[in-house]
Amino acid sequence: GNSVTQMEGPVTLSEEAFLTINCTYTATGYPSLFWYVQYPGEGLQLLLKATKADDKGSNKGFEATYRKETTSFHLEKGSVQVSDSAVYFCALSGNSGGSNYKLTFGKGTLLTVNP
Amino acid sequence: SQTIHQWPATLVQPVGSPLSLECTVEGTSNPNLYWYRQAAGRGLQLLFYSVGIGQISSEVPQNLSASRPQDRQFILSSKKLLLSDSGFYLCAWSWGEETQYFGPGTRLLVL
Repeated sequence: GNSVTQMEGPVTLSEEAFLTINCTYTATGYPSLFWYVQYPGEGLQLLLKATKADDKGSNKGFEATYRKETTSFHLEKGSVQVSDSAVYFCALSGNSGGSNYKLTFGKGTLLTVNP
Repeated sequence: SQTIHQWPATLVQPVGSPLSLECTVEGTSNPNLYWYRQAAGRGLQLLFYSVGIGQISSEVPQNLSASRPQDRQFILSSKKLLLSDSGFYLCAWSWGEETQYFGPGTRLLVL
């Protein structure tokens, strides 16, 4: 079945540091890949996505490239801010019939950015 | 634009009491709807999904049930809560493609 493995952290960085959160996946076929972000006490927000190999998703300074050869979708940001402190989830989609897709999530990575 | 609502935001219930959590979506028709649970310090577990009124698929056997009485309403229920039902419950919707959009969540504490 489908699975997602991401570094569990927690990750603690200073403001303006470079961020990488690793994510690898196992899936049949060619899933779409996602990063979601969860700020304290809130639901999940879509951060970025990529739907096919070599696609790069980007948003708010975050980037991730869909690497089919290494089955990876690592999240990067060149200069983090205190406001980026949150839990980050990597996920992949799998078709479960018709227009319905199921998301398989990693366990999440807690990022804390100190001023 | 589409919005998704969940209520209540927070709930404290005694063991053995019933539960009803509600999720509604605005601005779209015939969405796919999902219920997830997020236990403390853990990832998300898909509990139920629905592709239409009255159509419910269960992902894991458990103490909970779901219903979809209207096109944009999704309800999570239990007849008797267990301590292990505590967690953060998230509703999500999608339409026509893979991206799911999440609500603000309901934090449930069973004592």
